[in-house]
Amino acid sequence: AQSVTQPDIHITVSEGASLELRCNYSYGATPYLFWYVQSPGQGLQLLLKYFSGDTLVQGIKGFEAEFKRSQSSFNLRKPSVHWSDAAEYFCAVGPVNAGNMLTFGGGTRLMVKP
Amino acid sequence: DTEVTQTPKHLVMGMTNKKSLKCEQHMGHRAMYWYKQKAKKPPELMFVYSYEKLSINESVPSRFSPECPNSSLLNLHLHALQPEDSALYLCASSLLPYGAQETQYFGPGTRLLVL
Repeated sequence: AQSVTQPDIHITVSEGASLELRCNYSYGATPYLFWYVQSPGQGLQLLLKYFSGDTLVQGIKGFEAEFKRSQSSFNLRKPSVHWSDAAEYFCAVGPVNAGNMLTFGGGTRLMVKP
Repeated sequence: DTEVTQTPKHLVMGMTNKKSLKCEQHMGHRAMYWYKQKAKKPPELMFVYSYEKLSINESVPSRFSPECPNSSLLNLHLHALQPEDSALYLCASSLLPYGAQETQYFGPGTRLLVL
């Protein structure tokens, strides 16, 4: 069965600092990988996704993520965090050859210090 | 346009009430989903509709009854809910129901409180 682990439940960074959110997955093959962001009380917004090809993917709002097969990781990065980035971030994995079911990680709550 | 809309935004209901949540998309997507999200937890899949037919029911209690009247609309009928059903209910859609590269787009959710 596939699974996703986000090791950090909470992360606090200063505004303007760089950010890396970790995501590790367990799956028998190369999965499809997603990062979603959720502001308080809101739905999920897709930041970026990886299906194949270039392992460094660019997303919206200045985010990028790098797929590393050898480490089963798909970490999310941003060079300079803005206060508006404070939110919950979910990594998710989708199956390659089955129904389109997403498996979410537990989420990482990002807080931004002024 | 990658918008999924949900109404109402907030809903308070008693345990004997009957209410419905509504989800709509006009992106031509043929798969629609209901998720339940408790506070500080990731979304949990409840139902999947593929081409207007229920394809997945993740062992959801019968007090939740989904309906897909057409390819753009998804309802979730609620009856005799329990306080533990209070949560954010999210709707999502994707272009195709299966495989690969179909990204799910989420609505803003309905915040449900059962008293």
